[in-house]
Amino acid sequence: NAGVTQTPKFQVLKTGQSMTLQCAQDMNHNSMYWYRQDPGMGLRLIYYSASEGTTDKGEVPNGYNVSRLNKREFSLRLESAAPSQTSVYFCASSRNPGQGGYEQYFGPGTRLTVT
Amino acid sequence: AQSVTQLDSQVPVFEEAPVELRCNYSSSVSVYLFWYVQYPNQGLQLLLKYLSGSTLVKSINGFEAEFNKSQTSFHLRKPSVHISDTAEYFCAVSDNTGNQFYFGTGTSLTVIP
Repeated sequence: NAGVTQTPKFQVLKTGQSMTLQCAQDMNHNSMYWYRQDPGMGLRLIYYSASEGTTDKGEVPNGYNVSRLNKREFSLRLESAAPSQTSVYFCASSRNPGQGGYEQYFGPGTRLTVT
Repeated sequence: AQSVTQLDSQVPVFEEAPVELRCNYSSSVSVYLFWYVQYPNQGLQLLLKYLSGSTLVKSINGFEAEFNKSQTSFHLRKPSVHISDTAEYFCAVSDNTGNQFYFGTGTSLTVIP
């Protein structure tokens, strides 16, 4: 099993450009998540999807959109990138949203720089 | 809502010395608690978790953490650290819906030879 995969690994954008970060998991997990990691701030939840067909906002959703394409894939889109979105983005998945306690499995991350 | 506080942003410690990384949480409901480790340029990996039962939980590489409900703490300890333990450690909490995790700001552990 590959676990959680993310593409691309690195990306540089100019202000105003758009892009989509891709995430896929092969563990048959129901829930998927997008986080951003910034120095001194830990991980902050952007959006999550408790099951196929549903998405919900997390702590910092502004400037982002998501699509749960199917059970395996959960993409994050930046419509008009801003320097404040320079960060490391992590995708994660977990088994069952209805029964807490299931740990999250993380992808390797995407390092995004917006100039 | 839950929140997590990691009291130390950086912890330097000599090799083979003991270490404690502190984590406190606030929540009005029952929670599940986790410690994750992040090695440089990698994603987070689960180190250990507390769901219920025994308040002392252990990892396979010698770390342990104790859930203390009265003090709302979940401190991580290791009696003797190795160079390979150098990493960022994150404490996290989720409620019983499991829909959202709340992470602390992380503690950078540096093991000095």
